Order: sequence, then structure tokens, then C-alpha cells
Amino acid sequence: DIQMTQSPSSLSASVGDRVTITCRASQSISTYLNWYQQKPGKAPKLLIHAASILQNGVPSRFSGSGSGTDFTLTISSLQPEDFATYYCQHTYSTPPTFGQGTRVDIK
Amino acid sequence: QVQLVESGGGVVQPGRSLRLSCAASGFTFGNFAIHWVRQAPGKELEWVAAISYDGRNKDYADSVKGRFTISRDNSKNTLYLQMSSLGAGDTALYYCAREHVVVLPTAHGPRASFDYWGQGTLVTVSS
Repeated sequence: DIQMTQSPSSLSASVGDRVTITCRASQSISTYLNWYQQKPGKAPKLLIHAASILQNGVPSRFSGSGSGTDFTLTISSLQPEDFATYYCQHTYSTPPTFGQGTRVDIK
Repeated sequence: QVQLVESGGGVVQPGRSLRLSCAASGFTFGNFAIHWVRQAPGKELEWVAAISYDGRNKDYADSVKGRFTISRDNSKNTLYLQMSSLGAGDTALYYCAREHVVVLPTAHGPRASFDYWGQGTLVTVSS
């Protein structure tokens, strides 16, 4: 199975900050990489698919990049509604595993 | 609008069985592969199983293979997860999620993601 490792596991940031979360795959997965946002008590929400394509309706402050084994989710200017846990997921093969999550807290 | 609504969760004793359902609406259910994903309390997301649009192809996580069975009834727009020999490690919130596939002109092979999720149904395995 392909392992997905996110860093950091958690971070504290202020409104307006630029936030970067990284995800590393245990083998090359091309751009078979998705990012999800999950708020407490809610289902995950798709933010970015195919590593860099913004899902419809997702604010443009979110962006994704990377290919192969290393990927990045960037929030250009953190907003109050962005405090949540973020997960990466590969869909290169079965099982489509998730990273362990990155919790973004208010500083 | 697309909706996925899970049901069937509850408290069940170790070793017993339970069947979850996921009712879909707002889209042509029979055109999409669907997945089950679970999340133990305070833990990360864990993919559980998937079924192709027509029900012919099924995949399972090693942790549930041989104990869980995924199925669907396209005439009822409903997905199922039959769970047996349940243990404490199966305690989790179970989500169903629709698979979204895009074909990119610059990429080799289609790209899949989970674009709609239900609200989840909680399964607690406890004596």
C-alpha cells in the first residue's frame, strides 16, 4: 500500500497568514492526489483534485501543487472559516489511502 | 442537489453483524462508483470499500476483507455495507462518498476524487 505522510501534524496560524501543508507519498503517484477539508462534526469536503485543480465553489485562496511524491496545499490568506483539519489522499491505486491529517488552529 | 444519506449505524456487540445503507439522490446513481470511508473517534480517515457503477467490481481494505460486503441496488439508488464479525476496531463514523472522475488532456489516465460525502452513520462495537 502507498503511505501518505503529511507535515506538520498541526499548526497554529493567524487570520491573514499564508499557510502551507505538505504531503509525501511513499512512491510516485503522478498527480493522483486530492486534498480535503474537514471541520469538527462534519464530513470531509473536496478542495483540490488531481493535485492542482480547484473544486467548483472552493475559494481561490486555496491552491495545490506537486507531482510524483511531494505535494503542497497552500492557503494564501487564512480566513476564520479555514480553521479545520486537512487531509491528502492518493487515488493512484487501491487502497486510496489518506494522510494522517493536519490540524490548523487559531494562534 | 446531490445528497448521500447514511443510516443503519448503532451499538452492536462484538462478533455481531450490522448493515449500513446509503441513500442517494440528486444525481444518476447508476453512473457513479461509490466508496465507504470510516473515521474512528479522533482519528484519520480510512478507506473501507468501493463498488463500481454497475456493481460488478468491488474492492476492500485488508482490515475488512472477508468480513464486510459492499453492494448496491441501482433501482433503489442505494448503497449497502454488510458488516460481520465486528470488533472494537470497527467502531467509527462510516461515510459513503461518490467517486468523481475527470479525464485531463495533459495527464495519462483519469483522475478520481471523492466529491460528495454523506453526513456519516456511527457504528459502536461494545459489549
